Amino acid sequence: SAVISQKPSRDICQRGTSLTIQCQVDSQVTMMFWYRQQPGQSLTLIATANQGSEATYESGFVIDKFPISRPNLTFSTLTVSNMSPEDSSIYLCSVDVYRRGQNEQFFGPGTRLTVL
Amino acid sequence: AQSVTQPDIHITVSEGASLELRCNYSYGATPYLFWYVQSPGQGLQLLLKYFSGDTLVQGIKGFEAEFKRSQSSFNLRKPSVHWSDAAEYFCAVREAGTALIFGKGTTLSVSS
Repeated sequence: SAVISQKPSRDICQRGTSLTIQCQVDSQVTMMFWYRQQPGQSLTLIATANQGSEATYESGFVIDKFPISRPNLTFSTLTVSNMSPEDSSIYLCSVDVYRRGQNEQFFGPGTRLTVL
Repeated sequence: AQSVTQPDIHITVSEGASLELRCNYSYGATPYLFWYVQSPGQGLQLLLKYFSGDTLVQGIKGFEAEFKRSQSSFNLRKPSVHWSDAAEYFCAVREAGTALIFGKGTTLSVSS
């Protein structure tokens, strides 16, 4: 399996500011994903971040709002820019690991963001 | 495009009663199917998964799910529910090389 850590675990931010969330994995992985879980909602895929290429964003998410970096095979960051209260969510990092002939996806503990 | 539908937003079951949570998917080929559970304030926990082979899959905590291609379904079952099973349950689908797509979830309440 993969052990994933995220920093910060939670934060309270002011409207108009930006927050960068870090995701660290204990092994090298090719595919990393960022999800958002709004209060009382399911998980929504924001983007796929593969090392060495630009992140691929899902419909409704844009790079200017959610810039992503993927400098190496164990680390990624997601920035939530120019925040508004609607950005209050849990943001989760996820990685794809190939083992025993199957691809499995593991999730980090999440970053709980509150925007005032 | 892949999609997952969980028709039941909220289900209440008596403790000790059986449980079935419904999940339907839309996907052209044989998908990889998953069930996750999320307790309040907790992270996601994988209950079980289906990749291929036997269509009845056993998971943790006494859960099982059956893949029915003809019905495009992957329903989650448990023969006897415990109060600690109260949580949010998510069905998810993916294909190789892509990310999991989640359903909207079903909230399970357990009454005594």
